[in-house]
Amino acid sequence: GQSLEQPSEVTAVEGAIVQINCTYQTSGFYGLSWYQQHDGGAPTFLSYNGLDGLEETGRFSSFLSRSDSYGYLLLQELQMKDSASYFCAVNTGFQKLVFGTGTRLLVSP
Amino acid sequence: NAGVTQTPKFQVLKTGQSMTLQCAQDMNHNSMYWYRQDPGMGLRLIYYSASEGTTDKGEVPNGYNVSRLNKREFSLRLESAAPSQTSVYFCASSPKDRGLHQPQHFGDGTRLSIL
Repeated sequence: GQSLEQPSEVTAVEGAIVQINCTYQTSGFYGLSWYQQHDGGAPTFLSYNGLDGLEETGRFSSFLSRSDSYGYLLLQELQMKDSASYFCAVNTGFQKLVFGTGTRLLVSP
Repeated sequence: NAGVTQTPKFQVLKTGQSMTLQCAQDMNHNSMYWYRQDPGMGLRLIYYSASEGTTDKGEVPNGYNVSRLNKREFSLRLESAAPSQTSVYFCASSPKDRGLHQPQHFGDGTRLSIL
């Protein structure tokens, strides 16, 4: 079977740093992606890791350890607009994505 | 550019009715996808099309059919709607069917309720 585990909810205050973890067990692995989805909106792509290590894109960073089947998304200098759901997704081949159930991030003033 | 356009945005059906959800992209992408998202859940792949003229099943294809009409358009059909198909349906596209990394671009979704 395919499974991706994420915490269901994380809370933080503006300006803080938060880490959202993702562990996966899939048949086939061609990279781990992260998507953001605001309530009622469409998912939008944030970050991708194909190889082990850290990828940085502005305030967002993502990390992958293939040997541990583990990755995380790090959000720095949190802003109110970062309140959203965050999904990790594994590319199992031919760009077929298997998504986690999502982590709801609540940022308070 | 509009990106990925889905129609309709909302629809209510009765059990047993049929319906086609439309999706079009103007980014000249090769690959297109249909997902469903149930409350509090991630997206689950229904069908995908790696290129014009080809389609393949995803995780949850039962009860659905698809047509890749041309490079731009990929439709999803419910032949006999069931309450279990109440969901938000997202269409997505990506530039290629292979390669290290191709981010998917999503439409705004179709909110479908089946009574």
